[in-house]
Amino acid sequence: DVKVTQSSRYLVKRTGEKVFLECVQDMDHENMFWYRQDPGLGLRLIYFSYDVKMKEKGDIPEGYSVSREKKERFSLILESASTNQTSMYLCASSLGQSHTEAFFGQGTRLTVV
Amino acid sequence: KQEVTQIPAALSVPEGENLVLNCSFTDSAIYNLQWFRQDPGKGLTSLLLIQSSQREQTSGRLNASLDKSSGRSTLYIAASQPGDSATYLCRMRRGGSEKLVFGKGTKLTVNP
Repeated sequence: DVKVTQSSRYLVKRTGEKVFLECVQDMDHENMFWYRQDPGLGLRLIYFSYDVKMKEKGDIPEGYSVSREKKERFSLILESASTNQTSMYLCASSLGQSHTEAFFGQGTRLTVV
Repeated sequence: KQEVTQIPAALSVPEGENLVLNCSFTDSAIYNLQWFRQDPGKGLTSLLLIQSSQREQTSGRLNASLDKSSGRSTLYIAASQPGDSATYLCRMRRGGSEKLVFGKGTKLTVNP
């Protein structure tokens, strides 16, 4: 069974803090993704990575950065958290070939106060 | 820009009813389409994956179809149960891209 694990289910951070969201997958997947999900807006892609140290911007990368130092781990970094980054964050992974399923973590509910 | 649309946004049905959820996409050059279920406050659980060369996939009471020429996929749920209540999302992966594009989902409520 593929497992995608996000380090926290719930986080509360203060405005201006640097925030790290961690995601680990155990199936040797090449691709990893970070999305945020907001009511009425659906899932929006922030960043994705198709290999170690490789990354590409998604649709809404502003205010975020990512790190992929090891194949199994993909970190999302909020450089200076703001209240408009309060959201549900979802991590996903898939094999590099395009014909495969995507698997999601359980989500991290981040609140910035 | 490729788009994925799910209609209706919300659906409420009595228990036991058969129902169809719809997903339409603007770009027919897709590799595959995947249906997910999401319970409140949780991540996404994969239900069915249809490759571009396939027309349908079945798992238990669920059947998903794909019509690339019309840009549509449907998720059929037979004999619905209250435990089927959740938000159902579809996503596509376009040919030549690793990006996944999602619809906004259909919130299904099955009433006992």
